[in-house]
Amino acid sequence: DAKTTQPPSMDCAEGRAANLPCNHSTISGNEYVYWYRQIHSQGPQYIIHGLKNNETNEMASLIITEDRKSSTLILPHATLRDTAVYYCIVRGYGSSNTGKLIFGQGTTLQVKP
Amino acid sequence: GAGVSQSPRYKVAKRGQDVALRCDPISGHVSLFWYQQALGQGPEFLTYFQNEAQLDKSGLPSDRFFAERPEGSVSTLKIQRTQQEDSAVYLCASSSTGLWVETQYFGPGTRLLVL
Repeated sequence: DAKTTQPPSMDCAEGRAANLPCNHSTISGNEYVYWYRQIHSQGPQYIIHGLKNNETNEMASLIITEDRKSSTLILPHATLRDTAVYYCIVRGYGSSNTGKLIFGQGTTLQVKP
Repeated sequence: GAGVSQSPRYKVAKRGQDVALRCDPISGHVSLFWYQQALGQGPEFLTYFQNEAQLDKSGLPSDRFFAERPEGSVSTLKIQRTQQEDSAVYLCASSSTGLWVETQYFGPGTRLLVL
């Protein structure tokens, strides 16, 4: 699975959009981009995933560049409850892949009032 | 509906003690994963079950770590002769099928402190 690079921390004002970047320059054609977040003292929570098209659900939007080497997770109206560590994970099928998630360090998003 | 549950939520063990951590996945979920999360780090994969079969145990750090899922539902992670470096949060996740692409749903974790 391709490696991802994320900034270690970001701040966002409550009510504003939070844009979390992720670089995955070695992503291959059959690999998906997944986002999970982990609120303090809880288990990770799935947010969204995509292959090459932009995706939107009730939690967030995922924008993937045309060359697929980077992506941005957008929380349109951040609230204090969105304060968490956000993990960008590239995930693809391989002969030894059992679906395990490979987490990096993630981005700590602090939403401020 | 009920999510993934884990027990105990907190465990303090003396070095050398054996511990057993329990995971109750979402009912009917085929796949079950265990992860270890050290303080300030992202979770790291330990082992994977598809029903009762342990298909991947490549992440288990030593032979002191043992996991089982005998009836394809509840799973137990056992750590023998605990060491201080075993102190971590142990997370369990389940997904509905055996397909690699499925979303994993995580439990709250068991925080293990070895003194």
